Amino acid sequence: AQSVTQLDSQVPVFEEAPVELRCNYSSSVSVYLFWYVQYPNQGLQLLLKYLSGSTLVKGINGFEAEFNKSQTSFHLRKPSVHISDTAEYFCAVMEGGGNKLTFGTGTQLKVEL
Amino acid sequence: DTEVTQTPKHLVMGMTNKKSLKCEQHMGHRAMYWYKQKAKKPPELMFVYSYEKLSINESVPSRFSPECPNSSLLNLHLHALQPEDSALYLCASSQVWSSGNTIYFGEGSWLTVV
Repeated sequence: AQSVTQLDSQVPVFEEAPVELRCNYSSSVSVYLFWYVQYPNQGLQLLLKYLSGSTLVKGINGFEAEFNKSQTSFHLRKPSVHISDTAEYFCAVMEGGGNKLTFGTGTQLKVEL
Repeated sequence: DTEVTQTPKHLVMGMTNKKSLKCEQHMGHRAMYWYKQKAKKPPELMFVYSYEKLSINESVPSRFSPECPNSSLLNLHLHALQPEDSALYLCASSQVWSSGNTIYFGEGSWLTVV
């Protein structure tokens, strides 16, 4: 069975500072990896996803993530955050051949002035 | 802007009421999903429909009854709910057989059971 671990439940950061949100996964088969963002009182929006190929994936709003197979990680990064990035971020994994997403517990990113 | 539309956005219902949540997508997707999300928690999968047929039921209580009338619509019928069923209910859709399909979510329906 697949699982996703987001070790940081909350990450406070000052505006214009860089940020990294950590995600580790476990699975016995090949997986696809996703990052979703959920702004307050809204649904989930896809930030980026890794299917294959280049391990550095670029997404919307200046976010990027790097797939590391040996460390089973898919950390999300942004070089300079904005107040509007304040939201809940979910890492998720989908096993190859399936259409079922397994989510991590989420990381609350709080950007402060 | 999401292309998965959910109605109503907010619903308050009593424990003896019967109500329905509705979802519509026009992206040509043939997989549709219901997720339940409690506050400060990740979404939990409830049901998956593929080609209008129920393919996954994550052991959801029978007081939740999904229906997929056609490839664009997905309903969730609610009856005799409990206060602990209060949550955000998210509808989503995706392609079916491509690998690594992106699942697109709606804005959700906030349900309060009183």
